[in-house]
Amino acid sequence: GQQLNQSPQSMFIQEGEDVSMNCTSSSIFNTWLWYKQEPGEGPVLLIALYKAGELTSNGRLTAQFGITRKDSFLNISASIPSDVGIYFCAGSRPGGGGADGLTFGKGTHLIIQP
Amino acid sequence: EAGVTQSPTHLIKTRGQQATLRCSPISGHTSVYWYQQALGLGLQFLLWYDEGEERNRGNFPPRFSGRQFPNYSSELNVNALELEDSALYLCASGGETQYFGPGTRLLVL
Repeated sequence: GQQLNQSPQSMFIQEGEDVSMNCTSSSIFNTWLWYKQEPGEGPVLLIALYKAGELTSNGRLTAQFGITRKDSFLNISASIPSDVGIYFCAGSRPGGGGADGLTFGKGTHLIIQP
Repeated sequence: EAGVTQSPTHLIKTRGQQATLRCSPISGHTSVYWYQQALGLGLQFLLWYDEGEERNRGNFPPRFSGRQFPNYSSELNVNALELEDSALYLCASGGETQYFGPGTRLLVL
């Protein structure tokens, strides 16, 4: 099935650094979601975006819904060890109300070096 | 408020057997979604149930099926298991915004 183009695939950073990742698509989406998944667990919702241009923060996390509705980014400021994990973007297509399920990116694996 | 729950956490089967996975949505949610997360393939949409009916399915064969009960909990059945069915199976509830359970890890030997 279709997947979103998420980059980078992995990031090796030092504690305290800022992180930026993004997702793009050839199709428009009604909703953009960002999840974090840790080993052996299900994805946990971090931020949900519902309107083009929307900028939303959740603590040290900030995400934006692209103005074209075809992209989104997630920033993490001042990374800490517990930020380690895989971050996924996901989108919901127009008219679906979730009917088509979410479309996911392949994930960004965040690794924090001591 | 309890989140999405899934059982069992792990399941080991052999090729050709059937597997049954269970999910309870967040209270008040009527829709349940199933996803497969196989190594290297990311999360793929499997099935959507709402108000007791199958509403949509992803690009999976008919041996992946399920049902939704009057209390909105759901079962996913995988018949004639194949080795490539080994994956983490995730259940979510909600709509455009979905909340996931911890998953059932299915291993087919």
